[in-house]
Amino acid sequence: EPEVTQTPSHQVTQMGQEVILRCVPISNHLYFYWYRQILGQKVEFLVSFYNNEISEKSEIFDDQFSVERPDGSNFTLKIRSTKLEDSAMYFCASSDEGTGNYEQYFGPGTRLTVT
Amino acid sequence: KQEVTQIPAALSVPEGENLVLNCSFTDSAIYNLQWFRQDPGKGLTSLLLIQSSQREQTSGRLNASLDKSSGRSTLYIAASQPGDSATYLCAVRPPSYNTDKLIFGTGTRLQVFP
Repeated sequence: EPEVTQTPSHQVTQMGQEVILRCVPISNHLYFYWYRQILGQKVEFLVSFYNNEISEKSEIFDDQFSVERPDGSNFTLKIRSTKLEDSAMYFCASSDEGTGNYEQYFGPGTRLTVT
Repeated sequence: KQEVTQIPAALSVPEGENLVLNCSFTDSAIYNLQWFRQDPGKGLTSLLLIQSSQREQTSGRLNASLDKSSGRSTLYIAASQPGDSATYLCAVRPPSYNTDKLIFGTGTRLQVFP
């Protein structure tokens, strides 16, 4: 069964460093999302992406964050200058709404630890 | 602003019991509602999606109902098994003309013991 994959599974970085989290959505999906979950808290929406542009972003998604679909298969989240409070589990998701299936499928997540 | 709450926060039951997990949302204007399972340190596995026009959805031992007017959904798990132990999350999607993001609840942590 097709699934969303994410790399790396765990990333440790120092405060102020740039990180890139990578995702491979399900191949025929056209809608892509990033969410995050700080330990012990709710899963929070960050950004949605369709047709090579951001559809919506949350208040969390400030100028330090960016997303890109560099090729036909990858979808990336970049954090330019990480802060301690960016430590969280980051989930990528994709959906295929064009077919009427609105279900969002999530990847296994990348645990980001900022020290 | 849409708020999603799940009760109870944690539940521990013996194997074989039938369970009901609750999800409440403050704004009845939703496009759909999705139930997920999250194992410790893992990603989210989609269990069921209910469109706003539907009353319920079933998958195996799982049945999810939706009462939009009262802002509630329930996830019914029949004949629970230890393998059902996980955190169950519900998430609502506001009407599609506004957004396609999901707004998540706090989750119910379920433990089924043999």
